[in-house]
Amino acid sequence: EIVLTQSPGTLSLSPGERATLSCRASQSVYNYLAWYQQKPGQTPRLLISGASSRATGIPDRFSGSGSGTDFILTISRLEPEDFAVYYCQQYDRSVRTFGQGTRVELK
Amino acid sequence: EVQTVESGGALVQPGGSLRLSCEASGFIFSIHWMSWIRQAPGKGLEWVANIKPDGSEKNYVDSVKGRFVISRDNAKNSLYLQMSSLRVDDTAVYYCLKGGHWYPDWGQGTLVTVSS
Repeated sequence: EIVLTQSPGTLSLSPGERATLSCRASQSVYNYLAWYQQKPGQTPRLLISGASSRATGIPDRFSGSGSGTDFILTISRLEPEDFAVYYCQQYDRSVRTFGQGTRVELK
Repeated sequence: EVQTVESGGALVQPGGSLRLSCEASGFIFSIHWMSWIRQAPGKGLEWVANIKPDGSEKNYVDSVKGRFVISRDNAKNSLYLQMSSLRVDDTAVYYCLKGGHWYPDWGQGTLVTVSS
């Protein structure tokens, strides 16, 4: 199984700041990577698929980049509603896997 | 609008069995991969299993292989997860999802609690 390692575990930032979240795969997953946002008490929300394609209705302050083993989710300017947990997920191999999550918290 | 409604979650003792069901609507069920993903209380997401549209291919995470069986009934637009030899660490909310790659449509899930 491919292991996805997200870093940092927690990111403490203020509204308006830029957030950079990392996801590293134990083997290449090409660009078969998705990102999700989850707020407390809510189900996950798909942000990005194909490493860089925003899902329907996702604001353009969210962007994804990377390929192979190293991926980045960038939130260009944090809005109050962006404080949440973010997960990456690979779909290259038949057994899909998620990263352990990065919490973006209010500084 | 894609909808998936999970049911069957319950409190079960370690070693017990449970069958989860999922009724899907709003899309042509028979042509889509379907998946189960779970989330333990206060923990992250864990992909569990998926199944090809015709049921001919099934994939499982190692931790459930040999204990869980995913199946579907295309005539009933339904997905199932038969769980046996349940362990305390199987406690989670189980989500049924359309697709086999990425997952844009999440239902509310059904809670499985394994405890004595």
